[in-house]
This record gives sequence, structure tokens and C-alpha cells, in this order.
Amino acid sequence: DGGITQSPKYLFRKEGQNVTLSCEQNLNHDAMYWYRQDPGQGLRLIYYSQIVNDFQKGDIAEGYSVSREKKESFPLTVTSAQKNPTAFYLCASSIQGRDTGELFFGEGSRLTVL
Amino acid sequence: RKEVEQDPGPFNVPEGATVAFNCTYSNSASQSFFWYRQDCRKEPKLLMSVYSSGNEDGRFTAQLNRASQYISLLIRDSKLSDSATYLCVVKKQGTGRRALTFGSGTRLQVQP
Repeated sequence: DGGITQSPKYLFRKEGQNVTLSCEQNLNHDAMYWYRQDPGQGLRLIYYSQIVNDFQKGDIAEGYSVSREKKESFPLTVTSAQKNPTAFYLCASSIQGRDTGELFFGEGSRLTVL
Repeated sequence: RKEVEQDPGPFNVPEGATVAFNCTYSNSASQSFFWYRQDCRKEPKLLMSVYSSGNEDGRFTAQLNRASQYISLLIRDSKLSDSATYLCVVKKQGTGRRALTFGSGTRLQVQP
């Protein structure tokens, strides 16, 4: 079955530690995205990538980093520079070039900083 | 002013009721509109696109009013399984950066 797999689903981190969230898709989609969701707020775009070896900052990229070495994979690192990292992180993909609003989301990773 | 605004709710309705949500958007250049559904602590999933002439999908009807810059979602004959948060999504021309803007969602609770 095609889909997006995020791991881990739950993660606890101490302040000052970096953590990497995994996102893998087998949908053969070119575009991939990372969003952050906080209670009472809409999804906010962190980073996106439209093609391998290329990625762009979204609206709230500070304190985060990504890589896109393979089409299937788009890991997100939450660095110690991110001041308020506790949130629900969602990875998504879409078919590049299609004028559609359909994003396919993974099940999310819930990060809690202790 | 937020680009996409929704009443957060919750909307508490009995089974079988009809309920409607509105969503307003501020950017008149917005081109495409969508409703996503998000269950508690789950990922969002596309519910339906919103077309200019309005469209139905079973018990769900979506409408667009470009002059007043709002879209609506009507749910008829509510089921317990309709309980979720409904996200309004607006798309500007092009893809990638800032192409999609998500509202913060309207929570619906259908009660027996």
C-alpha cells in the first residue's frame, strides 16, 4: 500500500538536544512538506521540497533543518535553537505540477520537550 | 487579520441535525478552496474540493462566495462519525511556498 510513514509517533526530548523526525513516502511524489500544528492553530509550513536535492524555507523555518537526498525521504531535524519545539509535526507529499490542493499526510510525530 | 479564519467551535449537534460551517479568507487572489477533515490526534485528510458553482458529495455540500470571500460546508443528517475538526484550506496560484493556507479548524461534536 502506498503512503507516508513518519517515525517516531511520540518523542520526548530534553532541552538542548537535537532530534530528527523521519518521513518516508512510496507514492512517487516529487513534492514533500513539513508542517507544525499547535493547539488552536492552523498548520504552519516549516520547509518544503519540490525536487531531490532542493528545499525551501516555509513560514517558520527557524530552528529546523531538512535534507532531501532521496525522492522518498525528507527528514526534519528540530535543533536546540528552536525555542518552542513541543508540537505535532506532520509530513506531507503531493504530485508536483498538479493544480490540486490534495496533500497526503503521514500520521504525524508528537514531540514533547521536557 | 488571519489569511483564513474559522469559528473554532465546538459545534455540538444531535445526530440527524444539519450543521454549517463558514470560513472567510482575506486574499482575493486565492484560487482554489478545500475542506479537510482531521480526527482527534490524527492527520488531516482531504474531504472535498470547493467549486465555484458549489458541489455535493453525499451528505456534504460545499459552496464558494467569491464576492464575500467565504466558503461554507454543510453537513446534512449528521452522524456520530462526523465528529472531527474541519479545516478550511485556501490555495493561491502556483505551488510550493505559501501556496496552501490552512485555517485553524472548526470542531464538530455530534451527540447521540
